[in-house]
Amino acid sequence: AQSVAQPEDQVNVAEGNPLTVKCTYSVSGNPYLFWYVQYPNRGLQFLLKYITGDNLVKGSYGFEAEFNKSQTSFHLKKPSALVSDSALYFCAQGAAGNKLTFGGGTRVLVKP
Amino acid sequence: GAVVSQHPSWVICKSGTSVKIECRSLDFQATTMFWYRQFPKQSLMLMATSNEGSKATYEQGVEKDKFLINHASLTLSTLTVTSAHPEDSSFYICSAEDNSNQPQHFGDGTRLSIL
Repeated sequence: AQSVAQPEDQVNVAEGNPLTVKCTYSVSGNPYLFWYVQYPNRGLQFLLKYITGDNLVKGSYGFEAEFNKSQTSFHLKKPSALVSDSALYFCAQGAAGNKLTFGGGTRVLVKP
Repeated sequence: GAVVSQHPSWVICKSGTSVKIECRSLDFQATTMFWYRQFPKQSLMLMATSNEGSKATYEQGVEKDKFLINHASLTLSTLTVTSAHPEDSSFYICSAEDNSNQPQHFGDGTRLSIL
């Protein structure tokens, strides 16, 4: 069965420092990979996706992610974190029937 | 961008009540809508996949008689929690997509509290 792993429950980073949120996916032929962000009591907001093409994907709010096939990873990155980036981040992989398999989520706390 | 509206955002009701949650795609036609449940500090659990004009496909372990899903049009899907009990209290989120290569767009969720 397909699985998505986010090995860190929480990531703490100082404002202005680089932010990385890790994600690894299960092996499939051509993975569809997504990152979403969730603020308290809200739904998920789409940040970026990888379908095919360049391994470095640029998304919303200055976020980017790098698809690494050999490591089956799709880590989310932001060069300079903001306090407002504090939220819950989910990595997801597209599955059969257009379903999404979500990782467990990583809480990001950006301290001023 | 694509907008999904979910209503109501918050419901508090007595045990035994049935509660209907609406999910609407406001500026696109959603061929498929999904219903998720999220427990505190946990990930999203897919409950069912809903295609317009056909019966919903439920995930294993989800009671279809308990969680009734109707997808009557390309812009509206509803989830009805029938005879709700305290253990049904949760955050319910819907999403919609217009084709398979596009990301799912999520509603803002409905927090359901059963007393």
